[in-house]
Amino acid sequence: DVVMTQSPLSLPVTLGQPASISCRSSQSLVHSNGNTYLVWYQQRPGQSPRRLIYRVSNRDSGVPDRFSGSGSGSDFTLKISRVEAEDVGVYYCMQHILWPHTFGQGTKLEIK
Amino acid sequence: EVQLVESGGGLVQPGGSLRLSCAASGFTFRNYWMHWIRQAPGKGLEWVANINPDGSGKYYVDSVKGRFTISRDNAKNALYLQMSSLRDEDTAMFYCVKDTEDWGQGALVTVSS
Repeated sequence: DVVMTQSPLSLPVTLGQPASISCRSSQSLVHSNGNTYLVWYQQRPGQSPRRLIYRVSNRDSGVPDRFSGSGSGSDFTLKISRVEAEDVGVYYCMQHILWPHTFGQGTKLEIK
Repeated sequence: EVQLVESGGGLVQPGGSLRLSCAASGFTFRNYWMHWIRQAPGKGLEWVANINPDGSGKYYVDSVKGRFTISRDNAKNALYLQMSSLRDEDTAMFYCVKDTEDWGQGALVTVSS
């Protein structure tokens, strides 16, 4: 199975400051078609997860542009340019190139 | 607007069975891969199974192989998860997910004696 490793697991951030979450996979997530199948989710307390980013760097509709995804191969990053109170929650990366699809452990973002 | 509504969750004894359903609307159901993803209380997300658009391809995480069966009825816009030989560690919120993008509100399955 592809192992997804996120860091940090806990991320205290001051409002208005940037935040960055790393996600590394044990294998390349690049498909033979050239696409890289890595997504990012946000799960606010008490809510279902919401997809933020698909194929590494494509923002979903309605996602604020302070969220951005980058990376390639097996090394990926989710960045929040200026953290707002509504960003509190747990963030997960997931690979969906190979079965079983696998998630990172989750990164809990909180406000300092 | 995409809507995914899970039902069928509940309390079941170890070794028992349960069938989850997901009613889909707001999109052309027959065109999309569908997934079941679960989350044990206070834990992270775990992908459980998925099924291709025509139902001919089904994939499972090892821990549920032989016990869970994913299926779909494209005429009814419905996704299912038949669960048998349930274990304590299957206790979780089960989410129906369209193509990694849209999630339902979840159905809680509790396995306990």
